[in-house]
Amino acid sequence: KQEVTQIPAALSVPEGENLVLNCSFTDSAIYNLQWFRQDPGKGLTSLLLIQSSQREQTSGRLNASLDKSSGRSTLYIAASQPGDSATYLCALGLGGSYIPTFGRGTSLIVHP
Amino acid sequence: NAGVTQTPKFRVLKTGQSMTLLCAQDMNHEYMYWYRQDPGMGLRLIHYSVGEGTTAKGEVPDGYNVSRLKKQNFLLGLESAAPSQTSVYFCASSYSRATYQPQHFGDGTRLSIL
Repeated sequence: KQEVTQIPAALSVPEGENLVLNCSFTDSAIYNLQWFRQDPGKGLTSLLLIQSSQREQTSGRLNASLDKSSGRSTLYIAASQPGDSATYLCALGLGGSYIPTFGRGTSLIVHP
Repeated sequence: NAGVTQTPKFRVLKTGQSMTLLCAQDMNHEYMYWYRQDPGMGLRLIHYSVGEGTTAKGEVPDGYNVSRLKKQNFLLGLESAAPSQTSVYFCASSYSRATYQPQHFGDGTRLSIL
């Protein structure tokens, strides 16, 4: 069974820092990997989706990378802002499966 | 742009009562999903549907039933609510397999069973 691990579970940083969130997985035969953001009391919002043939995707201050051989994806947030405070989850899609496997998320607080 | 809409947003039930949670999407998506989210457990899939008239079990289907009579709607039913079903329920949809395309989530239904 695919295991998805997100470390750390929680992170607190001062505003302006560049930071990296990690997502590791056990099965390298993935089809894609998606990063979500969840604000308190809200649903998940898709941030970036990386297909297995890609190595990274960028959107504004966010950059997600994928290294299938090492079983790892990272979400890089540049120049963090208090508005980035949320829980970030990664989800893996395996070929042949209808359902992605979610990590438990990293809770990020960016303080002024 | 409504996206995925869940009804109701909050509900308190007594043990043994029944209720139905409604999920509606206006994006013409084929696939729809029901998850529950609990502290320390992450997101767990209850049931899903790959098209109108179809349903399938997910990771934690016991105590729940679903129906997909119309493409845009996916209903989650609790026939006899139990305190263990206290959770936040999320509905999601995707154009094709969620392993191929992004999922779009509703804002959740917060359900408490007393």
